[in-house]
Amino acid sequence: GQQVMQIPQYQHVQEGEDFTTYCNSSTTLSNIQWYKQRPGGHPVFLIQLVKSGEVKKQKRLTFQFGEAKKNSSLHITATQTTDVGTYFCAPNFGNEKLTFGTGTRLTIIP
Amino acid sequence: DVKVTQSSRYLVKRTGEKVFLECVQDMDHENMFWYRQDPGLGLRLIYFSYDVKMKEKGDIPEGYSVSREKKERFSLILESASTNQTSMYLCASSNVGVPGANVLTFGAGSRLTVL
Repeated sequence: GQQVMQIPQYQHVQEGEDFTTYCNSSTTLSNIQWYKQRPGGHPVFLIQLVKSGEVKKQKRLTFQFGEAKKNSSLHITATQTTDVGTYFCAPNFGNEKLTFGTGTRLTIIP
Repeated sequence: DVKVTQSSRYLVKRTGEKVFLECVQDMDHENMFWYRQDPGLGLRLIYFSYDVKMKEKGDIPEGYSVSREKKERFSLILESASTNQTSMYLCASSNVGVPGANVLTFGAGSRLTVL
């Protein structure tokens, strides 16, 4: 079946350290989206990646889509307390049904 | 500003009760979705709808039904609530065929407790 694994489940970092979460699929994806959910909030769209090997940046956030379109990563440089939350990948397997990874919960130690 | 509104932020129901969770979007979006969110399991898709009166099962439809009589409204129904349906329920909508299509806009969520 169409499955995606997101790792790690939790990540605790010192403020200023980098953070990366990975999303790996067993099948080729049509595209992949990333969402952020602040504590007590709802998921908010960050970005969509469509092309093989695509890299997009949003300030300190770097998103990558693998060459085979089976994996993706979100990297945050020099984390800040505002980065706290859970980051979800949302792979699209080529239909209107959008599933989500299990999420990576990021906590920051000041 | 784009909005998805869920009728209840918190609900407490008893086992066996019928529960309605309402969701309304004001963006004229074609697609609407219901997810449940549980710790360690992420967001799991229950049902989605791509048009009025149309519905498709998601990954965990058992114990749930949905209704979409109007484009802006998508209801999730628990015919007979059970304790394992205690969860956070998130409604979302998305557009199709335009720039930014398939991007989900979520409501604030409805936290349901079944006793």
